[in-house]
Amino acid sequence: QQQVKQSPQSLIVQKGGISIINCAYENTAFDYFPWYQQFPGKGPALLIAIRPDVSEKKEGRFTISFNKSAKQFSLHIMDSQPGDSATYFCAASNPGYALNFGKGTSLLVTP
Amino acid sequence: DSGVTQTPKHLITATGQRVTLRCSPRSGDLSVYWYQQSLDQGLQFLIQYYNGEERAKGNILERFSAQQFPDLHSELNLSSLELGDSALYFCASSVEGGNIQYFGAGTRLSVL
Repeated sequence: QQQVKQSPQSLIVQKGGISIINCAYENTAFDYFPWYQQFPGKGPALLIAIRPDVSEKKEGRFTISFNKSAKQFSLHIMDSQPGDSATYFCAASNPGYALNFGKGTSLLVTP
Repeated sequence: DSGVTQTPKHLITATGQRVTLRCSPRSGDLSVYWYQQSLDQGLQFLIQYYNGEERAKGNILERFSAQQFPDLHSELNLSSLELGDSALYFCASSVEGGNIQYFGAGTRLSVL
């Protein structure tokens, strides 16, 4: 069964806008929540990650918000750029073990 | 460049055949993970090896097997291939107990 649920499946945002992708997880034992970015023809690459003892983490234009009680976390991309157009995957895991991925969100940022 | 190398990049084969996918992890990484990416299922974990030993299994079919060699490279063997096995296969590596997994560029398998 899908342990991490991700929405929306696809997203179109205008340049300069905010992109928001949401994820929910079931297993409260997970303690690492990364977001991966994947461009066509490439493997996923780590974008940003958070541990459950923190409610928010920001790196440049990318922010993760984490709600432990609701078992939800989200990625916000501020000032979205055409170069951000890619597929984004949320995931959850424990250190040293496999990543449980959401099904991905295809983001298109229009000029 | 993640430092994880996968070969071949593309593989075209017929149903019933057997193929081997190869992965060289980042220097120093002892853990290797294999994932399958398909349009309908997303990225699914198949199997993990740590320093030559199998550590965890995910949604790996009995027709699939893997191993990690003393030089830490890993191979994923897919046999009795079916049309539904067509997918991207990714290898990732990490340090022991590490959170960050570095992914290779993948092998695109097409079963005709």
